[in-house]
Amino acid sequence: DTAVSQTPKYLVTQMGNDKSIKCEQNLGHDTMYWYKQDSKKFLKIMFSYNNKELIINETVPNRFSPKSPDKAHLNLHINSLELGDSAVYFCASSQDGRNYGYTFGSGTRLTVV
Amino acid sequence: GENVEQHPSTLSVQEGDSAVIKCTYSDSASNYFPWYKQELGKGPQLIIDIRSNVGEKKDQRIAVTLNKTAKHFSLHITETQPEDSAVYFCAANGGTALIFGKGTTLSVSS
Repeated sequence: DTAVSQTPKYLVTQMGNDKSIKCEQNLGHDTMYWYKQDSKKFLKIMFSYNNKELIINETVPNRFSPKSPDKAHLNLHINSLELGDSAVYFCASSQDGRNYGYTFGSGTRLTVV
Repeated sequence: GENVEQHPSTLSVQEGDSAVIKCTYSDSASNYFPWYKQELGKGPQLIIDIRSNVGEKKDQRIAVTLNKTAKHFSLHITETQPEDSAVYFCAANGGTALIFGKGTTLSVSS
């Protein structure tokens, strides 16, 4: 059973399109995250939700909008995709966000052409 | 906010040698320090963690040490094997989320 699952695994799309990435966790965790990993492997937090409530919203363009319908799901919608959005996006979950490790999904490789 | 520095960025060792990766953090309020291993095409996976009330923790061939005074912590891998080749990340719990170092690419040659 996959603990944190993301779909799709690969996403190739043209500039200007709108796309969504879905994430689900079956660990019963209260906190979920989106991280962006660039070509240099740097992991940068984008958003954090605790029990459906937005906790962290780092300096991310307004084109990125997270949505959490329930505490087991955190989706990421991206409008008007740009070349610079190309990266691997990881979803993660944690018991409380501060005192326990995260469980990461396998990532979504987004390529904007 | 928290800032985590990680060194070296790349590390090459021979099979059987030891590998050490070092991290420093800036926020004295941080009290949880996990290490992650990321294999090619996969998400980061937690391999070991340490809390601020402990100075050292071991799990088979891997160990982590923490020096709260100096604000640094290290990952030690002994008797390295080719399957240890991966990118390793340290992290600290600054604020309400983990802040990651920039990663160390470890290559173990046989």
